[in-house]
Formats: sequence, structure tokens, C-alpha cells
Amino acid sequence: DIQMTQSPSSLSASVGDRVSITCRASQSINNYLNWYQQNPGKAPKLLIYAASNLQSGVPSRFSGSGFGTDFTLTISSLQPEDFATYSCQQTYSTPRTFGQGTKVEIK
Amino acid sequence: QVQLQESGPGLVKPSETLSLTCTVSGGSIINYYWGWIRQPAGKGLEWIGRINTSGSTNYNPSLKSRVTMSVDTSKSQFSLKLSSVTAADTAIYYCARENGDYGLYVYWGQGTLVTVSS
Repeated sequence: DIQMTQSPSSLSASVGDRVSITCRASQSINNYLNWYQQNPGKAPKLLIYAASNLQSGVPSRFSGSGFGTDFTLTISSLQPEDFATYSCQQTYSTPRTFGQGTKVEIK
Repeated sequence: QVQLQESGPGLVKPSETLSLTCTVSGGSIINYYWGWIRQPAGKGLEWIGRINTSGSTNYNPSLKSRVTMSVDTSKSQFSLKLSSVTAADTAIYYCARENGDYGLYVYWGQGTLVTVSS
């Protein structure tokens, strides 16, 4: 199985801050990397697919980058509705595996 | 708009079999992979497996010996069975549609909490 490791596991930030979350794969996954946002009690919502492609309807303050084993999700200017948990997922092979999640909290 | 809805018992006894069904509406069930993902309270997402409408499956090796998935295209439903459950199987269970070359999960069910307890 491909292991996905996110860092940090949590972070505190203020509205307007630039925030970056990293995800590392245990082997190369090319760009088969998706990012999800999850609010408490809700299903995950797809933000970024194929490492850097913005899903339709997702605000442009979200961006993704990376290839191979190292990936980054960046929120350019944190908004109140962005306080949530973010998870990466590799779809290079089965089993599809997720990172453990990064909780973004209000400072 | 594609919608998915999980259904099944919310309480299962230890050693018994957990059974869930996902009903798809607003779109065709044909020619997609359909997946199950679970999330224990306060923990990350765990991919359980997927099935396509030809019946081809991929299971997480960590659960493979206990998992069975099936699909009923006539009812636009797919199902999950997890046998010999323990408290560690207590989680919110989601169904979702896997889409395209990059395996995107755009459409999800709302999730259903399954508790394993006597």
C-alpha cells in the first residue's frame, strides 16, 4: 500500500493568513493526488484533483502543487468558512489511501 | 444532480455482519466505480474498497478477508458487507462515486454511523 503522510496534523491561523499543508507519498504517484475539505458531520468535498486542478466551484484562493512524492495545498487568504479538516488522497493505485488529515483552526 | 444515500442498521453486535446499501439517484450507475469509505470518530478517512457495474472489485487488503461488495444495476444500488465486526469497525460509513482517470470522489452520500456494540 502507498502511505500518505500529511503535515502538520493541525494548525492555528487567522483570517487572511496564507496557509500551506503538505502531503508526502511513500512512493511516486505522479500527479494522482486529490485534496478534500471536510467540515464536522459532513462528507468530504473535493477541492483539487490531479495535484493542481481546481474542482469546479471551488474558490481560486485554493491551489495545489507537486508531483511524484511531495504535494502542497495552499490557501492564499484564509476565510472563516475555510476552518475545516483537509485530507489528501492518492489514486495512483488501489487501495486508495488518504492522509491522516490536517485540522485548520482559528487562532 | 447525482445523489447517494446510505441505508442500513445503525447498531451491529460484535462478531455479526455489517450490511449497508447505497442508493444512487439523479444519474446512471452504469460505467462507474462505486466506493465505500469509513471514518472512525476523530480519525482520518479509510478506503474500504470499490466495485464497478461489471462486478469487478478492489478491496483494502487490511479488510479484504471480511469485505464483500455487490451491485444491483436494476435498483441503482450497491452494497457493502463486513463480517465478524468488532468495536474497531464503529465508524461513519460513506458511499461515493469514483470518477475518471484520477479517481475523483465528487459525489458522496451523507454518511451513516454504524456502532458495533452488544
